[in-house]
Amino acid sequence: EVQLVESGGGLVQPGRSLKLSCAASGFTFSHYGMHWIRQAPTKGLEWVASISPSGGSTYYRDSVKGRFTISRDNAKSTLYLQMDSLRSEDTATYYCATGFGPAIIPYYFDYWGQGVMVAVSS
Amino acid sequence: DIVLTQSPALAVSLEQRATISCRTSQNVDKYGISYMHWYQQKPGQRPKLLIYEGSNLVSGIPARFSGSGSGTDFTLTIDPVEADDIATYYCQQSKDNPYTFGAGTKLELK
Repeated sequence: EVQLVESGGGLVQPGRSLKLSCAASGFTFSHYGMHWIRQAPTKGLEWVASISPSGGSTYYRDSVKGRFTISRDNAKSTLYLQMDSLRSEDTATYYCATGFGPAIIPYYFDYWGQGVMVAVSS
Repeated sequence: DIVLTQSPALAVSLEQRATISCRTSQNVDKYGISYMHWYQQKPGQRPKLLIYEGSNLVSGIPARFSGSGSGTDFTLTIDPVEADDIATYYCQQSKDNPYTFGAGTKLELK
């Protein structure tokens, strides 16, 4: 059974940093691209970042470029999101997600974690 | 960025048909594939993929869900609607980065 379990969320002050983790199991993690997707309270879904299976290619939405870094440790089957210079508008539930479609980096999301809450406030 | 437009809410009666639309600001078809996907999300739960590439039903999803459309106009149909289908439905495009989602259509009981 595919499982994605996020951790590392919490309350943080604006300008500070936080690192999210997503532990994967039930599939060969090193074979699949991964994504982070977020959802602000009572709002819709927003793609944040993605990474190729090897970690050699990464992609970000403009609003987080230069502040967030997606990475992975295939030996530990774990995905990360390092979030620096956090802003109030980064407040959201963050999901890790993947898919088993035909592309190296999945372009639809079959599997989602349960999500982890990040609140940025002074 | 490609903008996806959905109606905020749709009221429907049980056992009737629900038609949820998603209009994109640019064509999301490429090489014969519609890069349009649909998700269901219930309060407090993670999103669930229902339909991928416009019309492909995910394994395990009831056949009362179907997807159609091409280019810039897409539809998710639920027929007949059951009580368990009350949720918010999101469309998502993946033709271009950044991948974008519609704002969601909340399906409500009439």
